[in-house]
This record gives sequence, C-alpha cells and structure tokens, in this order.
Amino acid sequence: ETGVTQSPTHLIKTRGQQVTLRCSSQSGHNTVSWYQQALGQGPQFIFQYYREEENGRGNFPPRFSGLQFPNYSSELNVNALELDDSALYLCASSFRQGDTGELFFGEGSRLTVL
Amino acid sequence: AQSVTQLGSHVSVSEGALVLLRCNYSSSVPPYLFWYVQYPNQGLQLLLKYTSAATLVKGINGFEAEFKKSETSFHLTKPSAHMSDAAEYFCAVTPGGYSTLTFGKGTMLLVSP
Repeated sequence: ETGVTQSPTHLIKTRGQQVTLRCSSQSGHNTVSWYQQALGQGPQFIFQYYREEENGRGNFPPRFSGLQFPNYSSELNVNALELDDSALYLCASSFRQGDTGELFFGEGSRLTVL
Repeated sequence: AQSVTQLGSHVSVSEGALVLLRCNYSSSVPPYLFWYVQYPNQGLQLLLKYTSAATLVKGINGFEAEFKKSETSFHLTKPSAHMSDAAEYFCAVTPGGYSTLTFGKGTMLLVSP
C-alpha cells in the first residue's frame, strides 16, 4: 500500500510569486484535504477535494486554489505569495463514504517566502 | 461547529514518568476524536482514534486516551515516558462523514533523562 506523497519537500519563493504543490493520495482513497501549518501552530484546513470538485473550504483567500485529478492526486496553487504564507503545507487523503473522518497525512511541503 | 483546546503548549516529563496531555473539545454532534503525533520536520502520524465504540482507546507506542462525554475531554496518557516520545502532539475532532478535522494548537512533549 502506497502512502500519501508530496512534492517538493522544500522550496523557497519570493513575495508575489506563485507556487504549485503536489500530492498523490494513498491507494484506494478518493478525497484529498490540504492544511497549512504555520510555525508553532496546529494545522489549519484550507480545502478538500472529492471527485475533482472542491467540497469544503476554510478561511483562506481565493488566491489559494486547487485541483484534483481523475487518479485522485491533487495540486495546491498559491498566487501572489505573501510572507505569511511561509508554512508547512500538509496533504491528507481519506476514503469518503460514511467514514470516521480519519485522515492519512503526507510528510508535507515546507514553503519559505522571502 | 467544533473546536479543540489543548491545555499547555509544552509539557516536560522525566523518562519513565507518566505522560498526560490534555484535550477538551466542543462539538454540536457526537464527535470522532483523534490524537496525532508529529516528529520534527515530518507529517502527522495517527496515534489513536475514538469512533464511538469503547471509551478507552489504545493506540500505538503504548499511548491510550479516554473519552469522557461529561467532561468533553479526550486526554492522552502513557504510563512511562521514553526519550523517543519527544514530539508534538495534536488533538483533533470531527463530526465524521464528509467533514474534515479541526486541530488543536498542539502540545510539545519534552522528555528528559
């Protein structure tokens, strides 16, 4: 069984740039959620994708967007990067059919915005 | 809506001592509750989960947690701390189904020899 994989693991961008983070969900999972974890904080929910559509969004501006592909992998895009976007971005997958809400996390992508 | 409060951003124990990490939740419906652990520069790993079966839940690495509805608590315990337990621990809640997890701010566990 393949777990959740994310790429890249680390990246550095400058303010105003755009970034794309990628996630491959665990085998058999059809739902992907993205979280932002700022330094010293708990993960904050960005959005969730199910069947290639956004299904639930946290308190993040529209410059945070995403995609889910037919193979259930996903991308997180952030436009017009700000310094406060520096964080660990976590992808989590799950199988969404009356499940208990358990999420399986990847190792994360650490974004530094200068 | 649901929320989680973790009491204490840092907890220090000696190796071999009891570990107690506190978590209180708020939920408008019967919740599912989770404890995750995060080692430095890594993602989150599930320790244990409560899904409305037994109120005392046993997890990996000797950890367990007890769901107490009357106290809206789900505290994490381990009888004897090991140096390898040093990490950050997150409590999370969800109403289940199609909803996602809401996390607490985390508690850093420090274990001294």
